[in-house]
Amino acid sequence: DAGVTQSPTHLIKTRGQQVTLRCSPKSGHDTVSWYQQALGQGPQFIFQYYEEEERQRGNFPDRFSGHQFPNYSSELNVNALLLGDSALYLCASSSQGYSNQPQHFGDGTRLSIL
Amino acid sequence: GDSVTQMEGPVTLSEEAFLTINCTYTATGYPSLFWYVQYPGEGLQLLLKATKADDKGSNKGFEATYRKETTSFHLEKGSVQVSDSAVYFCALSEEGFQKLVFGTGTRLLVSP
Repeated sequence: DAGVTQSPTHLIKTRGQQVTLRCSPKSGHDTVSWYQQALGQGPQFIFQYYEEEERQRGNFPDRFSGHQFPNYSSELNVNALLLGDSALYLCASSSQGYSNQPQHFGDGTRLSIL
Repeated sequence: GDSVTQMEGPVTLSEEAFLTINCTYTATGYPSLFWYVQYPGEGLQLLLKATKADDKGSNKGFEATYRKETTSFHLEKGSVQVSDSAVYFCALSEEGFQKLVFGTGTRLLVSP
């Protein structure tokens, strides 16, 4: 049973570019959340998708956007990259949109901005 | 807003020592509380959880009790192993929502 898978594992971009990160949830899960983890910090919630809609959003600018597909997989898009966007981006999946089911995390995509 | 405060690390212990990592929280409602662990180069793994006051979560020898009166969820283990070396994150989610609010993490280093 595959867990949460994210791609790519590492990515290097320059300031001003755009990036797309991908996530496939654990089998049986229908809810995907994205988190940003800066070096030495705890993950910060970006947003959550359920039934192909953004349900909750953290304190992140509109440069951060997302999408969920009918097969529950998800993308995170970041436009106009800044040096401060360098971080580990974690995807988490869970089942049942409105419950306290524990979230399962992928290994993340490490994004470096030069 | 909701927040989680963890003791700063690193916490350095010898194998078989007793571990405590302190965690306190601020929340408006009745959150669920979690401990996650992150090994080098990996994502987060759920270690244990508690969903209401006085619940005790436990897993792999680790325990934490949801203390509403002190708004705490301290992580303990009676005898740590070298393989427990990792970063430990305390987190909460408000009732009805799945957004996790994390602490800054505590690095544990266990030497043989």
